[in-house]
Amino acid sequence: QARLVESGGGVVQPGTSLRLSCVVSGVTLDRFAMHWIRQAPGKGLDWLAQSSVHGDIKFYADSVKGRFTISRDNANNTLYLEMNDLRPEDTATYYCVSDYDSSGVGWFDPWGQGTVVTVSS
Amino acid sequence: DIQLTQSPSSLSASLGDRVTLTCRTSENVGEYLNWYQQKPGRAPQLLVFKGSALQSGVPSRFGGSGSGTEFTLIISSLQLDDFATYLCQQSYSLPYTFGRGTILEIK
Repeated sequence: QARLVESGGGVVQPGTSLRLSCVVSGVTLDRFAMHWIRQAPGKGLDWLAQSSVHGDIKFYADSVKGRFTISRDNANNTLYLEMNDLRPEDTATYYCVSDYDSSGVGWFDPWGQGTVVTVSS
Repeated sequence: DIQLTQSPSSLSASLGDRVTLTCRTSENVGEYLNWYQQKPGRAPQLLVFKGSALQSGVPSRFGGSGSGTEFTLIISSLQLDDFATYLCQQSYSLPYTFGRGTILEIK
């Protein structure tokens, strides 16, 4: 049974950077495509980024393209989200999420518990 | 981006009721529509994928159907654990998008 645990959230000022980490246990990370998804307070879910199994193919939502970078270290079973030029509208709970399959079919299970990022001056 | 519209936005129901939740997509997504359950303060959990395939471990009282632009999630007999928010999500094309959810409350 896979378990995903995010860390790295916090309160930061606009324009600064933050790196989120997601440690995967119970399975080897190199079996699954991976995603980051966020949920702003009281809002819906927004898919942000996808990484292929080997990290060579990446896709991003327009809202974060050029500012956020998804990466992975399969040897250490860890997924990352590097976030630059943070804005108040990036305030949200950020979820690390496994794709159902190595090929990236686009449905999500399991999810981490989330880490909260607050961007405020 | 493909827009997903869920109805109703909220629903009050009683234990044992049969409920039907609907998700409509702005474009044809074939069978690539998935359903999640989310409880307050928790991450979503996958219930149904590819329109009608039940995720392992999900009770058989949950069922999904539909294709194209209209999909339904049916809960055949509501249990206490089922009162939550239900979200649909399309996996037909990037960016993957979610509906705003149906909040299922106890009457």
